[in-house]
Amino acid sequence: ETGVTQTPRHLVMGMTNKKSLKCEQHLGHNAMYWYKQSAKKPLELMFVYSLEERVENNSVPSRFSPECPNSSHLFLHLHTLQPEDSALYLCASSQDARGDQETQYFGPGTRLLVL
Amino acid sequence: AQKITQTQPGMFVQEKEAVTLDCTYDTSDQSYGLFWYKQPSSGEMIFLIYQGSYDEQNATEGRYSLNFQKARKSANLVISASQLGDSAMYFCAMREGRDMRFGAGTRLTVKP
Repeated sequence: ETGVTQTPRHLVMGMTNKKSLKCEQHLGHNAMYWYKQSAKKPLELMFVYSLEERVENNSVPSRFSPECPNSSHLFLHLHTLQPEDSALYLCASSQDARGDQETQYFGPGTRLLVL
Repeated sequence: AQKITQTQPGMFVQEKEAVTLDCTYDTSDQSYGLFWYKQPSSGEMIFLIYQGSYDEQNATEGRYSLNFQKARKSANLVISASQLGDSAMYFCAMREGRDMRFGAGTRLTVKP
């Protein structure tokens, strides 16, 4: 595997379900990110992790719970979601969390549909 | 406040011609980075090109070049010799330290 991978690629869940999104980066990076991309809205940064420590949480509802067990893996735990949470969830990584020149590399995303 | 503006929701270009996708940004920082990403229908955001605010030369990567005009705060992407596979959404982004902001995107369609 190379780059950034995400599983599952597609997910349909009910509002009472609990599910998790997984992201893995094979680039040796120290920072990982979760983004939400809704239709007709710019990409929204949700969480930033640097060396497994959460360094940013952009007012995301508590029904989204991130976990970063090591610098290569990032999870997004989902519970009691709402239909408006349906979106493409993108994971990204970069060498460092700070620095204007740090390029973020993205995974293919998980398309989530909440019924 | 919106920091990245892409004024072209959709653009069409004939195959083999060049196309310019516009991007303007707003910042009071002197140090920042500008990025362009391509997003095909599959969803993955593919990094294309980077320009640092202190770089005096415009960035180039193969058929991609970035027309950086710092005083105007614009960072337009130029794609030369368009190919059918270039049809996708294109996003401009700006990074200031840890903060990364994306524009709303431009949908490019390359016509045969």
